[in-house]
Amino acid sequence: GAVVSQHPSRVICKSGTSVKIECRSLDFQATTMFWYRQFPKQSLMLMATSNEGSKATYEQGVEKDKFLINHASLTLSTLTVTSAHPEDSSFYICSARDSSPYTDTQYFGPGTRLTVL
Amino acid sequence: AQSVTQLDSHVSVSEGTPVLLRCNYSSSYSPSLFWYVQHPNKGLQLLLKYTSAATLVKGINGFEAEFKKSETSFHLTKPSAHMSDAAEYFCVVRYSGGGADGLTFGKGTHLIIQP
Repeated sequence: GAVVSQHPSRVICKSGTSVKIECRSLDFQATTMFWYRQFPKQSLMLMATSNEGSKATYEQGVEKDKFLINHASLTLSTLTVTSAHPEDSSFYICSARDSSPYTDTQYFGPGTRLTVL
Repeated sequence: AQSVTQLDSHVSVSEGTPVLLRCNYSSSYSPSLFWYVQHPNKGLQLLLKYTSAATLVKGINGFEAEFKKSETSFHLTKPSAHMSDAAEYFCVVRYSGGGADGLTFGKGTHLIIQP
């Protein structure tokens, strides 16, 4: 089946620093990728939709200057958490939608656990 | 607006007995509905999806779900639970609009399998 990878799987950083998370579709092309955030024992909340070659679309309440998204190729999207603070600590999950015709399934990455000290 | 309600935050069953995880949705038009499973420290795995074809959808690992429009429900079932089924299950609805195509997740149901 289709595989989506995320790197790193875990990251610990100091408050005020920036962290970049990569999301890759390994065996398919994805014109659209999505970034979600999951707090402990809670559901996933969509943060933004990442479109290859264009600006990301952010959900209401998500600061676009705080969470920078770049989707420079059909297999890679990156999320950069800028000037991270402890409240940004969370589990970040990406998904990628297969661009092939007749399919609309989203495949999820394994997630990245961010801890901001 | 679209929303998904998972009626139980926790469900506990004995191994070998049936599983029922309940989900109701709200959508202004025919939705696409999904069930995903999340094992601890693992990514989400698609169990099954409904996209306006057959109302009874069969998924992986013996799971199935029935789309009932009259009840706006999409409950997940399995005839016989296995220990490996212990995980978090999410009922999900997909919406389209404005170029976005994200998923709306229910709050999740934690399935516990008793030996």
